[in-house]
Amino acid sequence: DAGVTQSPTHLIKTRGQQVTLRCSPKSGHDTVSWYQQALGQGPQFIFQYYEEEERQRGNFPDRFSGHQFPNYSSELNVNALLLGDSALYLCASSLYRVNSPLHFGNGTRLTVT
Amino acid sequence: KQEVTQIPAALSVPEGENLVLNCSFTDSAIYNLQWFRQDPGKGLTSLLLIQSSQREQTSGRLNASLDKSSGRSTLYIAASQPGDSATYLCAVNRSGGGADGLTFGKGTHLIIQP
Repeated sequence: DAGVTQSPTHLIKTRGQQVTLRCSPKSGHDTVSWYQQALGQGPQFIFQYYEEEERQRGNFPDRFSGHQFPNYSSELNVNALLLGDSALYLCASSLYRVNSPLHFGNGTRLTVT
Repeated sequence: KQEVTQIPAALSVPEGENLVLNCSFTDSAIYNLQWFRQDPGKGLTSLLLIQSSQREQTSGRLNASLDKSSGRSTLYIAASQPGDSATYLCAVNRSGGGADGLTFGKGTHLIIQP
């Protein structure tokens, strides 16, 4: 039973560039959420996708956008990268119901120089 | 705005000891609280989820309790082992209506000395 998979594992970008991160949810899950984790901090909620629509959004600017595909996989796009966007980006999948535990991938380490 | 605090920030204990990690949250209107483990450079592994109507959950050597009215949760680890070394994070589900964004604490960095 494959868990949550993310690609790439590491990425280095230059300030001002754009980046796309990818996530495949755990088998049987229909909901994908994205989190940003800065060094030494807890993860911060970016947004959640269900039925190919953004359902909830945290306090992140419009430079952060996403997409969910019919097979439930998801992409996170970040435009006009800033140095402060350097972080571990975590994808989590679950079922779209209260009290469904989140299952996380190993994340994508993004470094912006 | 929901805030989650974890105490202590770091903890180092000898192997075999029982220990307690603490988590507090400011808004008691939660649907559930989840404890995670994170190894260095890795993603999060779900340990226990406590629904708001529950008082505790157990899995092996782990026991998590929830006192929603006081905004507190504890994670009890029995007979600690070096393999338990990791960062432990608690997170609360801040609203309902389906899976939603979690609000996390900064974590407790735990080291178990062999």
